[in-house]
Amino acid sequence: EIVLTQSPGTLSLSPGERATLSCRASQSVSSSYLAWYQQKPGQAPRLLIYGASSRATGIPDRFSGSGSGTDFTLTISRLEPEDFAVYYCQQYGSSPGFGQGTKVEIK
Amino acid sequence: QVTLKESGPVLVKPTETLTLTCTVSGFSLSNARMGVSWIRQPPGKALEWLAHIFSNDEKSYSTSLKSRLTISKDTSKSQVVLTMTNMDPVDTATYYCARVSSGSYFVNDYWGQGTLVTVSS
Repeated sequence: EIVLTQSPGTLSLSPGERATLSCRASQSVSSSYLAWYQQKPGQAPRLLIYGASSRATGIPDRFSGSGSGTDFTLTISRLEPEDFAVYYCQQYGSSPGFGQGTKVEIK
Repeated sequence: QVTLKESGPVLVKPTETLTLTCTVSGFSLSNARMGVSWIRQPPGKALEWLAHIFSNDEKSYSTSLKSRLTISKDTSKSQVVLTMTNMDPVDTATYYCARVSSGSYFVNDYWGQGTLVTVSS
């Protein structure tokens, strides 16, 4: 079973700053099966990135994904007020799973 | 417009069986590239993938919960049903169903709003 470890647990930043979120897998993950989701309080998760680097429909281009193998990154180039939320990575291999999440909070 | 909606009891007693229904619209459960996942989230905690089912009736379950879960679908009703036996207070969570899009990528692209299930006597 592949375990996804996200870091940091919490990221304290100001609007306009750059956010870099990490997702590390315990074994290699196909890029086709790596996704990122955003979740705000009281809401369902929303798909941001699929295939490690492709933005989902309607997602602003300040969100970008990169990485391969065991190391993946979600970058938010300039934080907007609505970007403060929890972010999860997911691998959809033979036994799908999520990371434990990174909370991006206002500094 | 793709939508998914979860329904089921809000409160179950310990040892009871939970039955949740996901009703979908905007896509067909017979579509070869589509499936439905169930995912849960205990209050204040991370997401946990539970199970999925595809149009060809291929099913997969969480390794840790496999013995307690059963997923099925009724294509004519556009519904996917998840049952979880022997419920415990630690199973208190918001349960989500989400569409799986497969092919070149596997991803949960549309989610239901979720339903909170509390396990308590």
